Amino acid sequence: AQSVTQLGSHVSVSEGALVLLRCNYSSSVPPYLFWYVQYPNQGLQLLLKYTSAATLVKGINGFEAEFKKSETSFHLTKPSAHMSDAAEYFCALTGTASKLTFGTGTRLQVTL
Amino acid sequence: DVKVTQSSRYLVKRTGEKVFLECVQDMDHENMFWYRQDPGLGLRLIYFSYDVKMKEKGDIPEGYSVSREKKERFSLILESASTNQTSMYLCASARGRGATNEKLFFGSGTQLSVL
Repeated sequence: AQSVTQLGSHVSVSEGALVLLRCNYSSSVPPYLFWYVQYPNQGLQLLLKYTSAATLVKGINGFEAEFKKSETSFHLTKPSAHMSDAAEYFCALTGTASKLTFGTGTRLQVTL
Repeated sequence: DVKVTQSSRYLVKRTGEKVFLECVQDMDHENMFWYRQDPGLGLRLIYFSYDVKMKEKGDIPEGYSVSREKKERFSLILESASTNQTSMYLCASARGRGATNEKLFFGSGTQLSVL
């Protein structure tokens, strides 16, 4: 079975501070990994994806994520948070099953 | 840009009613998906389809069925709505038949309340 675990359902950072959202996965085959973002009252949109090329993946809006096989992790980071980054973030993977499995989500709050 | 359109943003139904949630995509995508989103549970896959008239069960298909008569349209059906089906329902599409590394395009969701 494949699974995704997101540590921390809520994360709060100050504007300008580092954003770190954690994601760990389990898959018996090399996974494809994704981060999606959901702004209020909207559907999800893709931030970035890892498909076995470079382990450091750059996405939209200044976000990036690093695939670490040894740690089975795919954490999302952004050097400097902006108020507009406030949203819910979902980590997801496709692995053994030909379908996308999502984590439970992390709500990011950005304060002044 | 790909557009995935869900027919209703908010829907209120009564227990026992038959409910249809409609989803249309305009980019000729092969794959279409129905998820439900609940606080603390993330997104869970209900059904998906890789081709017209084809459907496969996701992780939580009980109480739901689907219909895909045309490539662009994927309908979710609640045969007899129950209060535990109150949720946000998200439709998504992706290109490529059965591809697993493709980006999903999501609709903006239908918030269904069953009273």
